[in-house]
Amino acid sequence: NAGVTQTPKFQVLKTGQSMTLQCAQDMNHNSMYWYRQDPGMGLRLIYYSASEGTTDKGEVPNGYNVSRLNKREFSLRLESAAPSQTSVYFCASSPGLAGGPETQYFGPGTRLLVL
Amino acid sequence: AQSVTQLGSHVSVSEGALVLLRCNYSSSVPPYLFWYVQYPNQGLQLLLKYTSAATLVKGINGFEAEFKKSETSFHLTKPSAHMRDAAEYFCAVSRSSNTGKLIFGQGTTLQVKP
Repeated sequence: NAGVTQTPKFQVLKTGQSMTLQCAQDMNHNSMYWYRQDPGMGLRLIYYSASEGTTDKGEVPNGYNVSRLNKREFSLRLESAAPSQTSVYFCASSPGLAGGPETQYFGPGTRLLVL
Repeated sequence: AQSVTQLGSHVSVSEGALVLLRCNYSSSVPPYLFWYVQYPNQGLQLLLKYTSAATLVKGINGFEAEFKKSETSFHLTKPSAHMRDAAEYFCAVSRSSNTGKLIFGQGTTLQVKP
């Protein structure tokens, strides 16, 4: 099992360009998440999808859109990149079963630099 | 609203010494609490989680954490540090009613000196 995979690993964009970060999991999980990690701020939730067909905003959704393409894939789109979106982006998934604290499984991350 | 505070952004210990990483939370409802570890250039992986079954929680790699409701704390400890423990550690909290939404602390970088 590959777990959670993310592409690309690294990307440089110019201000105003758009791009889509891809995420896929092979653990048959219902729930998927997108976080950004910035120095001294921990990880902040951008969007999440509790189950296929549903998405919801997290703490910092502005400037982003998501698509839960199917149960395996959850993409994050930056329509018009800004330097403030320079960050490391992590995708995660969890079983999404009712009740109990769930472990989230993280991908290796995508480093994004917006010039 | 829930929040997590990790005291100390950087902790340095000698190999073989006690590791203590501090985490305090605020939550108006019984929380679920987690510790995750991030090794350089990798994603996060779970060390341990508090499920309300026991206040002392044992995790991987010899780490453990104790839930203290009176102090709203969930500090992470390890009796003897190894060089391989050098990493960034994150405390996180979620509400029992919505386990998907994790709130992370700022992170603590652990340095282990030979």
